Amino acid sequence: GAVVSQHPSRVICKSGTSVKIECRSLDFQATTMFWYRQFPKQSLMLMATSNEGSKATYEQGVEKDKFLINHASLTLSTLTVTSAHPEDSSFYICSAPDTGSEQYFGPGTRLTVT
Amino acid sequence: GQSLEQPSEVTAVEGAIVQINCTYQTSGFYGLSWYQQHDGGAPTFLSYNGLDGLEETGRFSSFLSRSDSYGYLLLQELQMKDSASYFCAVWDTGRRALTFGSGTRLQVQP
Repeated sequence: GAVVSQHPSRVICKSGTSVKIECRSLDFQATTMFWYRQFPKQSLMLMATSNEGSKATYEQGVEKDKFLINHASLTLSTLTVTSAHPEDSSFYICSAPDTGSEQYFGPGTRLTVT
Repeated sequence: GQSLEQPSEVTAVEGAIVQINCTYQTSGFYGLSWYQQHDGGAPTFLSYNGLDGLEETGRFSSFLSRSDSYGYLLLQELQMKDSASYFCAVWDTGRRALTFGSGTRLQVQP
């Protein structure tokens, strides 16, 4: 099946700093990618839809100025958490759909803000 | 909007069979998917039901009844490695993304 990678897998940063997470589709092109956030023992919550060559679509309650998304190519989307705070500590997962009914998920990025 | 309900936890023993139910409310239904997620890992796709009936993939089967807005995931011959969280999900036509259920944590005991 298709492969989606994320980098970094883990990151620890200080409060007030920014962190960039990359999501890449390795063997297919993705005009759309999705960013999810998952808190411990909870479900995946969609944050935003990343669209290649256009602005991302954010879910209600997700601050677009805090979670900057860039989808500059058909294989790369980035999520930048700006001015991170401890409450932003979470597991961030990206996914990309294939032409069928399946979503391919990246391995996730564990963000810890101290 | 979409909403999906699953039991929060299920416990079973090795070799047994377990069924994880999912009921959903959605506008514009395009099928029910199931994902497995081990602690610290990403979700992995298990199965998809677009039409009523049973889909079988090895030890895992999934069932859908569109008239009842209900589906289930059946895991047979349970193994310790099946201990994980299992999520049902539907395609949200408005947001063009998956909406996940709350997840069911399966604990397989020796």
